[in-house]
Amino acid sequence: GAVVSQHPSWVICKSGTSVKIECRSLDFQATTMFWYRQFPKQSLMLMATSNEGSKATYEQGVEKDKFLINHASLTLSTLTVTSAHPEDSSFYICSAPGSGYNEQFFGPGTRLTVL
Amino acid sequence: GQQLNQSPQSMFIQEGEDVSMNCTSSSIFNTWLWYKQEPGEGPVLLIALYKAGELTSNGRLTAQFGITRKDSFLNISASIPSDVGIYFCAGRFGNQFYFGTGTSLTVIP
Repeated sequence: GAVVSQHPSWVICKSGTSVKIECRSLDFQATTMFWYRQFPKQSLMLMATSNEGSKATYEQGVEKDKFLINHASLTLSTLTVTSAHPEDSSFYICSAPGSGYNEQFFGPGTRLTVL
Repeated sequence: GQQLNQSPQSMFIQEGEDVSMNCTSSSIFNTWLWYKQEPGEGPVLLIALYKAGELTSNGRLTAQFGITRKDSFLNISASIPSDVGIYFCAGRFGNQFYFGTGTSLTVIP
């Protein structure tokens, strides 16, 4: 099956710094990717839809300037958490649709801890 | 975003027991999906439902798409220890997927 990877798998950073998370579709192309955020023992919350070659679409309440998304190629989307604060600590998961109507392949997630 | 509520929030069962969980929404979805997530990993698709009233099985798992298109349930028969994890329902709205609040399942050997 299709594989989506994320890098890094975990990151610890100081408050005020920026962190970039990569999401790659390894054996298929993805014009669209999705970014989710998951707090401990909670559900996945859709943050934004990343569109190759155009601007990302953000869900209501998600700050565009805080969470910068770049979808520069058909296999790579990046999420940059700018000026990170402790409340940004979370599990960030990306996904990419497959060829089937309801196929959506999830990455393994990135655990972000902001000190 | 869309709001999907799952119940129960958590379950502790003995190995071999059957499990039932459900998901309700205030919105209508054209597709319902059930995922399983293990700690530190992304969700994995278990079952996809495409039509109201549809009943679909995948091994020991059975799921149904509610007639109103606002609910779905998932049953797991004869649970085993590896069924442990968090189960999420998800509704498809356009090109986006919205997830339920999750049901944490613990199976006691």
